[in-house]
Amino acid sequence: EVQLVQSGGGLVQPGGSLGLSCEVSGFNFGGYVMAWVRQAPGKGLEWVANMKQDESDKFYVDSVRGRFSISRDNAKNSLYLHMSSLRVEDTAVYYCARVAIRGYDLWGQGTLVTVSS
Amino acid sequence: IQMTQSPSSLSASVGGRVTITCRASQGISTLLAWYQKNPGKAPKLLISDASTLQSGVPSRFSGSGSGTHFTLTITSLQPEDSAAYYCQQLYDYPITFGQGTRLEIE
Repeated sequence: EVQLVQSGGGLVQPGGSLGLSCEVSGFNFGGYVMAWVRQAPGKGLEWVANMKQDESDKFYVDSVRGRFSISRDNAKNSLYLHMSSLRVEDTAVYYCARVAIRGYDLWGQGTLVTVSS
Repeated sequence: IQMTQSPSSLSASVGGRVTITCRASQGISTLLAWYQKNPGKAPKLLISDASTLQSGVPSRFSGSGSGTHFTLTITSLQPEDSAAYYCQQLYDYPITFGQGTRLEIE
């Protein structure tokens, strides 16, 4: 079965750190660009970061660059997002997604990150 | 690249037809996708490359456009079409989404 299963997330204080994981199965993980997308409460979708198959290129939205780090382990079929210096405005449901040609065609179930004191 | 969707919300009747517009602040060829988002669920890719319907998506969904102007049309509306819809440009980084259109089926 093709699926992306997320873990991690939770409650963290402002300035803290947190890691998210996305384990995939059912397809050749190493052959795809992968992404993180988030949705803050009551807001729209926001792209967070992309990472190419061979880890050569990583791209970030300006608001997280320097604070978040996307990584992957192709041997473990896993995508990661390490978040540091977290802010209240980073509170959101975070989704991992597979980047197909011209669209994000598979998504994880989402995981809530709450940044609050 | 800024993506501007309109309207921000709309309501329509079962069996009806709606069109959602998405405008890009610069030309993006046909590198545009449409998603359906229900509360508590992951986004679902409906259309890629501006007009390519994804496998399993009902044919009442259709997309068109190129350059800066794009539309998503839903015909024969069904109650399960009640959701938020988002466009997304994949032409350049940062990848950007429209602000979303909330569709209510009466």
